[in-house]
Amino acid sequence: QVQLVQSGAEVKEPGASVKVSCKTSGYSFTSYGITWVRQAPGQGLEWMGWISAYNDNTNYAQKLQGRVTLTTDTSTNTAYMELRSLRSDDTAVYYCARDLSFSPSIFDYWGQGTLVTVSS
Amino acid sequence: DIQMTQSPSSLSASVGDRVTITCQASQDISNYLNWYQQKPGKAPKLLIYDASYLETGVPSRFSGSGSGTDFTFTISSLQPEDIATYYCQEYDNLPPLTFGGGTKVEIK
Repeated sequence: QVQLVQSGAEVKEPGASVKVSCKTSGYSFTSYGITWVRQAPGQGLEWMGWISAYNDNTNYAQKLQGRVTLTTDTSTNTAYMELRSLRSDDTAVYYCARDLSFSPSIFDYWGQGTLVTVSS
Repeated sequence: DIQMTQSPSSLSASVGDRVTITCQASQDISNYLNWYQQKPGKAPKLLIYDASYLETGVPSRFSGSGSGTDFTFTISSLQPEDIATYYCQEYDNLPPLTFGGGTKVEIK
């Protein structure tokens, strides 16, 4: 069955970087994209960006452009999200999700979420 | 950027009631609209894609309709397990891809 398993919770100081992994199984990794979505405590969903596991094409939310990098490792069927220059308002649960198309569109399977806390 | 206005932000209904949530886009998005359910502490779950298509395995009491700028999500007979927050999401003009603000559904 399709599974996306994310790395564990992180606590980071302001200005640091965090890299969250999303290990997939149960499907052909390179036939889909991976989208990243975050959710601040008590808030709604915010799309961060998307990467094609087929050709590494990316599409980022302008708000995060320059601070976020999405990558994939096809040898381990794993996607990664790195966020730099962390601020307190980056505290959120970060989700990866499988994207059905060759561009950001429909997210049919989700990881369990990774809590990133930014605090001094 | 496309703005998605979802309403109401919360609602309370009785078991068996018909529940309707609306989502309005700031510009024409054709049928590029999905609906998700999120239970507390859990990841979102896809219910409806492309405005009206029911995701495999999702109960038929959930439905979606609309195109252009106005969309509707309906639970035909509210069940206790439907307590959750529901989000619409568009994907017409990227970036960014936008979610609605969410509707929290509670049992009266």
